[in-house]
Amino acid sequence: DVKVTQSSRYLVKRTGEKVFLECVQDMDHENMFWYRQDPGLGLRLIYFSYDVKMKEKGDIPEGYSVSREKKERFSLILESASTNQTSMYLCASSLRQGRNTEAFFGQGTRLTVV
Amino acid sequence: AQKITQTQPGMFVQEKEAVTLDCTYDTSDPSYGLFWYKQPSSGEMIFLIYQGSYDQQNATEGRYSLNFQKARKSANLVISASQLGDSAMYFCAMREQYNFNKFYFGSGTKLNVKP
Repeated sequence: DVKVTQSSRYLVKRTGEKVFLECVQDMDHENMFWYRQDPGLGLRLIYFSYDVKMKEKGDIPEGYSVSREKKERFSLILESASTNQTSMYLCASSLRQGRNTEAFFGQGTRLTVV
Repeated sequence: AQKITQTQPGMFVQEKEAVTLDCTYDTSDPSYGLFWYKQPSSGEMIFLIYQGSYDQQNATEGRYSLNFQKARKSANLVISASQLGDSAMYFCAMREQYNFNKFYFGSGTKLNVKP
């Protein structure tokens, strides 16, 4: 059974804290994604990685960074958490090549910054 | 510009009736894929159906079909014989081949199926 696993389902952090959200996939996928999901705004791409150590900014990268040291793991870092980063965060992975290459999602992390 | 546009924030449908969820997209890549996902209240993202830009026929998967109109850049999802379990958020997504197969999602449509 294919899997994308996010390290936490729920997180509560304080303003100014450094926050790490971890994502691991077991499908040997090249592509990994971090999305933020807010009501009425859908899924917005924060960062994208197409290979180890390679990353590209998405639509809303401000206040976030990422790390991909190993193919299976993609971390999202909030350098100094703020209340406007309270949201649902979804990690996904997919093959880089191929026709019907759907994205597989983790269960999501609901982050609350207080 | 928005890559994916879903103009229906919420929709209601009577059980056993068909419903169409709208999606339009914007790309200059000749090779792309279009996807629909379902997100129930539990939060998981469930892949429903795929349509490739070069596919001649509309995709179908059980009660789901995709009404693909390439010239109009639309990829509407049709759910036939709606069931109560179809109540969920539905997201349209696009992947562009020239862009490392990066996925873009729309804002979603909340479907409520009434008994």
